Amino acid sequence: KNQVEQSPQSLIILEGKNCTLQCNYTVSPFSNLRWYKQDTGRGPVSLTIMTFSENTKSNGRYTATLDADTKQSSLHITASQLSDSASYICVVSLFSGGYNKLIFGAGTRLAVHP
Amino acid sequence: DTGVSQNPRHKITKRGQNVTFRCDPISEHNRLYWYRQTLGQGPEFLTYFQNEAQLEKSRLLSDRFSAERPKGSFSTLEIQRTEQGDSAMYLCASSLSPGTLNTEAFFGQGTRLTVV
Repeated sequence: KNQVEQSPQSLIILEGKNCTLQCNYTVSPFSNLRWYKQDTGRGPVSLTIMTFSENTKSNGRYTATLDADTKQSSLHITASQLSDSASYICVVSLFSGGYNKLIFGAGTRLAVHP
Repeated sequence: DTGVSQNPRHKITKRGQNVTFRCDPISEHNRLYWYRQTLGQGPEFLTYFQNEAQLEKSRLLSDRFSAERPKGSFSTLEIQRTEQGDSAMYLCASSLSPGTLNTEAFFGQGTRLTVV
């Protein structure tokens, strides 16, 4: 069964600290892995997309890693800011029927406190 | 704003009523997707259009749900005889075709449905 599992479910950190969010997946055939940021009450916004051959990708203070052998990914946030408070969703894509079908994790809810 | 637009943003309805949501994708995108998201969960796939053709429907899309994209531009999602379990955020996304491995999907702000 195609599944994406994220940990932790929720996380509280102090402003300025770093954190790492985890994602494990059992999706096949794998196409790519994406991390989205979703503010409360809003739609998800893409942070990074990585294909099978990419091990790491950065977007500002966000750095995603991918280990396709162990089917694990992580999202590292550096020097957190209050505006980083949101849900971070790991999404694995499988290319089927001519389009990318997105399988979403439940997300990690991050709260950054001053 | 040239992003994906969804209306209304919020909808409160009584159980048993019908509701319709609208999604306007990014203008050059010919692929359109509907998802449903309940509190604390990730979005779940409902259906997918390429132009006006509805190419895939999830088993989550019961016979009370219908989606259309009549001219290959905007799309509507209708729920008939709403139930309390239909309360959720309904998200629309669009992307370009032909797709590649890295084709980006852009999401709208969603329509929050509350059935009372």
